[in-house]
Amino acid sequence: KAGVTQTPRYLIKTRGQQVTLSCSPISGHRSVSWYQQTPGQGLQFLFEYFSETQRNKGNFPGRFSGRQFSNSRSEMNVSTLELGDSALYLCASSLGDRDGNTIYFGEGSWLTVV
Amino acid sequence: AQTVTQSQPEMSVQEAETVTLSCTYDTSENNYYLFWYKQPPSRQMILVIRQEAYKQQNATENRFSVNFQKAAKSFSLKISDSQLGDTAMYFCAFMGQNTGNQFYFGTGTSLTVIP
Repeated sequence: KAGVTQTPRYLIKTRGQQVTLSCSPISGHRSVSWYQQTPGQGLQFLFEYFSETQRNKGNFPGRFSGRQFSNSRSEMNVSTLELGDSALYLCASSLGDRDGNTIYFGEGSWLTVV
Repeated sequence: AQTVTQSQPEMSVQEAETVTLSCTYDTSENNYYLFWYKQPPSRQMILVIRQEAYKQQNATENRFSVNFQKAAKSFSLKISDSQLGDTAMYFCAFMGQNTGNQFYFGTGTSLTVIP
C-alpha cells in the first residue's frame, strides 16, 4: 500500500508569508505527527493529531499550527515566516491506537524562507 | 524530560565489516520504546529496528541488532556485514508511554561504508 505522502516536496517562500504543508498518511492510520529537521536543532517534534484532535504538542510558537481532517489527512501551517523556519518538515503516521506503534515517515517537505 | 545522546557524529566502516553505533538516553519512565531510524541522502526516515523496554531480549533484524542495557540506559546498534547501501545518517529515538507518538531523537551519527 502507499506510504506517507507529503506535498509539496520543495517550496520557497518570502519572510512574512505563510505556508501550508500537506500530509496523507498510510491508509488506516489515524495518527499523524509532524517534525522539523534543521542542521542546528536536529529533529524536533511539532505536534501530533489523532482522530482530528491534537493529542500532543511540542515547544514551538503559535505561528505553527496544524489540523487533521476526517480522512486522517493533515496539514500544518506556518504563519509570518522567519528565516529560521527554513527546514525539512517531516510527517509521520501510525495506527496511533496504542503505545509504541511503529511510525512511518514521509519524504518530507523542504521549505526555504528567503 | 527525556534526552537522547549519540556521541559519535561520524563513523566509517569497511564494506563487509561490523560497526556499532552508540546511544544513551535519560528517562524516569519504566516502560518505553527505543528505535533506530536510518536517513539516507533521500532524507526519508526508514525504521531499522525497535525495542520495547519491558523485553529483555535484544531485538534483531537481519544484519541489524541492538545491545539494550536498561540499567545503563544504553541502546547501541550493531550492523554486521556492512553494505554500501548502509551509508546514511542514523538516529536513535525514544518514545515514552502515554505521550502519543512523540519521539525524542538523538543528534544522529553519519555512517559511511567504504568500498
